[in-house]
Amino acid sequence: KAGVTQTPRYLIKTRGQQVTLSCSPISGHRSVSWYQQTPGQGLQFLFEYFSETQRNKGNFPGRFSGRQFSNSRSEMNVSTLELGDSALYLCASSQSSSPGELFFGEGSRLTVL
Amino acid sequence: AQRVTQPEKLLSVFKGAPVELKCNYSYSGSPELFWYVQYSRQRLQLLLRHISRESIKGFTADLNKGETSFHLKKPFAQEEDSAMYYCALSFTSGTYKYIFGTGTRLKVLA
Repeated sequence: KAGVTQTPRYLIKTRGQQVTLSCSPISGHRSVSWYQQTPGQGLQFLFEYFSETQRNKGNFPGRFSGRQFSNSRSEMNVSTLELGDSALYLCASSQSSSPGELFFGEGSRLTVL
Repeated sequence: AQRVTQPEKLLSVFKGAPVELKCNYSYSGSPELFWYVQYSRQRLQLLLRHISRESIKGFTADLNKGETSFHLKKPFAQEEDSAMYYCALSFTSGTYKYIFGTGTRLKVLA
């Protein structure tokens, strides 16, 4: 089985722009979650989707949003980018509706200038 | 509030020495605890979970509900154990939730 795929792998944006990141989960996995990884904060939970429904959202401003499509692929969007949004954004998928093992992608590294 | 605490940002040990990575959690219900590992230039992956009670790559972790801890241990560290380790807590009280600690970087010195 192919692993979790995230695109793009690297991107550079300037303040005020917006960005869309994509995540393709492992085939058959219906849960997709997103995390922001920074050296000081570790992994911060952004949101989780299951069968196109957002089940939970972390403590991030409304500039961060996401969605999941019927094929389980997910996108997250960050609008009005700030310097502090520079981070590695990780997507993870899991098979069941309950938390279990997460399978991570390699991440999308966002740099905001 | 639910929380996972990893008190050490960096832990350096010599090869062959015992290793203990600390993890404490706060959650009133029955949690599921995990350790994830990220080796250099690799994606984050599951190392072990408390319900399986396995030993993976020589690592073990015991859930201590009294002390709300899930420390990761290995009797003899190897250089290839150098990596970033994250403790995580998951539960489904109402809605899905998965919380990670801030991580501990383990450096095994030759």
